Amino acid sequence: DGGITQSPKYLFRKEGQNVTLSCEQNLNHDAMYWYRQDPGQGLRLIYYSQIVNDFQKGDIAEGYSVSREKKESFPLTVTSAQKNPTAFYLCASSMGGFSYEQYFGPGTRLTVT
Amino acid sequence: AQTVTQSQPEMSVQEAETVTLSCTYDTSESNYYLFWYKQPPSRQMILVIRQEAYKQQNATENRFSVNFQKAAKSFSLKISDSQLGDTAMYFCAFMRNTGTASKLTFGTGTRLQVTL
Repeated sequence: DGGITQSPKYLFRKEGQNVTLSCEQNLNHDAMYWYRQDPGQGLRLIYYSQIVNDFQKGDIAEGYSVSREKKESFPLTVTSAQKNPTAFYLCASSMGGFSYEQYFGPGTRLTVT
Repeated sequence: AQTVTQSQPEMSVQEAETVTLSCTYDTSESNYYLFWYKQPPSRQMILVIRQEAYKQQNATENRFSVNFQKAAKSFSLKISDSQLGDTAMYFCAFMRNTGTASKLTFGTGTRLQVTL
């Protein structure tokens, strides 16, 4: 089945540790995105990538880093510099460019204590 | 900067009835897309419907339809014959053309509860 997978579904980390969230897609989509969702708020864009080896900051990139070494993979690292890392993280992909809708993965709930 | 406003944090509707969710947005662009996404308790984001700004005709997908008022910058979602499975968070989203990517701006969502 074609789709987007995120693993793990739940992730727990101690404060001060970096953590990497996985996102893989087999839709042959060019573009991939990371969003953060907090209670009572909509999704906010962290990073996005249009092509392999290229990515741009979104609206809330501070404290996060990404890589895009393969078309199908776009991992997100939440660094210790992120002040409030506990959130629900959603990965998405699209054909790229304007007009194409984004398809979302199931999300990862990160809890940092 | 684009903003998307959903002024109804929560709504409730009885099964088989019709409900309308409101969304307004602010932009200076003339070419853009609008979307409604559904997020059920599983938290999976599901695309419900999309509207191209250059099209005057309102989009329809089965029981879901929109009322797109471009001059008023309004984009409401109507759900007809509501079903229990429609219970979810609904997010309105605006897509702008950055030249290199399709960036989405989301509203804060409306929690819809369908009751018996």
